[in-house]
Amino acid sequence: DAKTTQPNSMESNEEEPVHLPCNHSTISGTDYIHWYRQLPSQGPEYVIHGLTSNVNNRMASLAIAEDRKSSTLILHRATLRDAAVYYCILSQAGTALIFGKGTTLSVSS
Amino acid sequence: SAVISQKPSRDICQRGTSLTIQCQVDSQVTMMFWYRQQPGQSLTLIATANQGSEATYESGFVIDKFPISRPNLTFSTLTVSNMSPEDSSIYLCSVGRAMNTEAFFGQGTRLTVV
Repeated sequence: DAKTTQPNSMESNEEEPVHLPCNHSTISGTDYIHWYRQLPSQGPEYVIHGLTSNVNNRMASLAIAEDRKSSTLILHRATLRDAAVYYCILSQAGTALIFGKGTTLSVSS
Repeated sequence: SAVISQKPSRDICQRGTSLTIQCQVDSQVTMMFWYRQQPGQSLTLIATANQGSEATYESGFVIDKFPISRPNLTFSTLTVSNMSPEDSSIYLCSVGRAMNTEAFFGQGTRLTVV
């Protein structure tokens, strides 16, 4: 499986934007870029995914580099509830997700 | 979306015993997966539960230790057999659809082996 590299931790202030980076230099043409997050004491939840183009949904935006070797998850206005572990995962349709260590995001008020 | 009900939510078990964890989905799904999350760690894939056939296990996990059943498209069980304290973890069920890249997770079963 293609691997991703994320910072171990990041900090943010409430109501400020957060940019979570992910490097995936060995990505293949059929790999989707997924982001999931895991709040304390909960199972992971889907955040967003994309293939080549930037994506927006109600939770976040995903900016994908033109060469697809990196991506950035953007939380437009962080809230205390956004404090979680964020996982950047490469996967193909119909396959299991393989989790790395993720980025632990702390949000301060 | 899919709503997943996992039972039990937590349990404390004696070493040497077995625990069966149930995963019920509110709709038919193609794919079901079982994960383990050891304390302070990320999720590790245990196996893919295949409907009507034997589960496919990842390296380091064997059927004798983690037997899995999947009798239909909405239900699966994972048994943790002959438990030791090293099996203390959160076990999570995940589902997805073959042509859809989004996966859904249960809340997990927190297992403590004493």
